[in-house]
Amino acid sequence: SQELEQSPQSLIVQEGKNLTINCTSSKTLYGLYWYKQKYGEGLIFLMMLQKGGEEKSHEKITAKLDEKKQQSSLHITASQPSHAGIYLCGADVAGNKLTFGGGTRVLVKP
Amino acid sequence: EPEVTQTPSHQVTQMGQEVILRCVPISNHLYFYWYRQILGQKVEFLVSFYNNEISEKSEIFDDQFSVERPDGSNFTLKIRSTKLEDSAMYFCASRPTFNYGYTFGSGTRLTVV
Repeated sequence: SQELEQSPQSLIVQEGKNLTINCTSSKTLYGLYWYKQKYGEGLIFLMMLQKGGEEKSHEKITAKLDEKKQQSSLHITASQPSHAGIYLCGADVAGNKLTFGGGTRVLVKP
Repeated sequence: EPEVTQTPSHQVTQMGQEVILRCVPISNHLYFYWYRQILGQKVEFLVSFYNNEISEKSEIFDDQFSVERPDGSNFTLKIRSTKLEDSAMYFCASRPTFNYGYTFGSGTRLTVV
């Protein structure tokens, strides 16, 4: 079965600083999703990456997919308190379900 | 923006009782899913549903679980006889077709006492 490892498990960043989260798969990535979750709440869709080398940005968040490394990264520029939460990566398994990583807890210090 | 709606947001039930968790997927979506997240653990796949039947289910989805799309809008998850270990956040998700993103609901927190 496909396993996704996220790193780091948690991080604290000063407001205004950049941060990067990595998601590494044990198998070839066909579709990679990034979600944000506030503790105990629902999953908010951030981005979907489908092709090797694909890069997408939305506001201050950029995600990339490196299919050779079987890895995706999520980068936040000039972090704000609103970026705090748990970031989850999910991989499309056989096209019809998601396997999730363990999540990265982000805390932004004002 | 269209959203997946789940009710109730929180349910407390006694062990052994039946519970039904309800979801209203986005109207033009064809694929429906249930996931769960035990507190502090990963989000886990339970079941996928397409064309009025189960497409795939995980090992967690045993005979105590069932899903139904009773009408054109609702998608339900039933747990026949709840156990303490069923306590978790249950998420419904839908998507229009393959290669499209999954939209998740805000979840139902189930507490079995």
